[in-house]
Amino acid sequence: ETGVTQSPTHLIKTRGQQVTLRCSSQSGHNTVSWYQQALGQGPQFIFQYYREEENGRGNFPPRFSGLQFPNYSSELNVNALELDDSALYLCASSVPTSGGANTGELFFGEGSRLTVL
Amino acid sequence: QKEVEQDPGPLSVPEGAIVSLNCTYSNSAFQYFMWYRQYSRKGPELLMYTYSSGNKEDGRFTAQVDKSSKYISLFIRDSQPSDSATYLCAMSNTGFQKLVFGTGTRLLVSP
Repeated sequence: ETGVTQSPTHLIKTRGQQVTLRCSSQSGHNTVSWYQQALGQGPQFIFQYYREEENGRGNFPPRFSGLQFPNYSSELNVNALELDDSALYLCASSVPTSGGANTGELFFGEGSRLTVL
Repeated sequence: QKEVEQDPGPLSVPEGAIVSLNCTYSNSAFQYFMWYRQYSRKGPELLMYTYSSGNKEDGRFTAQVDKSSKYISLFIRDSQPSDSATYLCAMSNTGFQKLVFGTGTRLLVSP
């Protein structure tokens, strides 16, 4: 049990729609990262938030956006959904190492499986 | 070419066998190397973490990093059916930030 919970666990959307995925981290974990894991692939880094600010981004377009809240919860928003957005979306929280935004071990949630039709 | 290459398997072994899982990578800036285990319908969980080159042992698990060859390995001794899972290698140049994962190798340990 990692203490990271994600919702919803499964959802189906159609192309062009928008989706919001939610994550609740452990208390004190003020860094959250989001990863996309397509079927049969490893997770791909989308972005990281630290103290409610984006702190690093992978090779994903701007229609992927996020929010982090002071209560250790966060959201991943995807606009204008495409078929290739079908994947497991993983949230991972961590505590910073001494000095700021660099993180210690990531604790992953079980993911939200998105299907785009 | 992907930054991290990993054979997807599946790799099938009998219980008690020694398992060898491997990844190669192309980015010489990678300094941090991890192995994650992912059970079906679960998120990845950290097994081993190594900084730079060398070996690290934890119970039945041994991680090896050879930066000169850009090659990392995970060995599992006395494999158990409960070890059946997908094993993902991951690496970065910034600790646990912006991890680059391999495809994952699916391991099946039969009783």
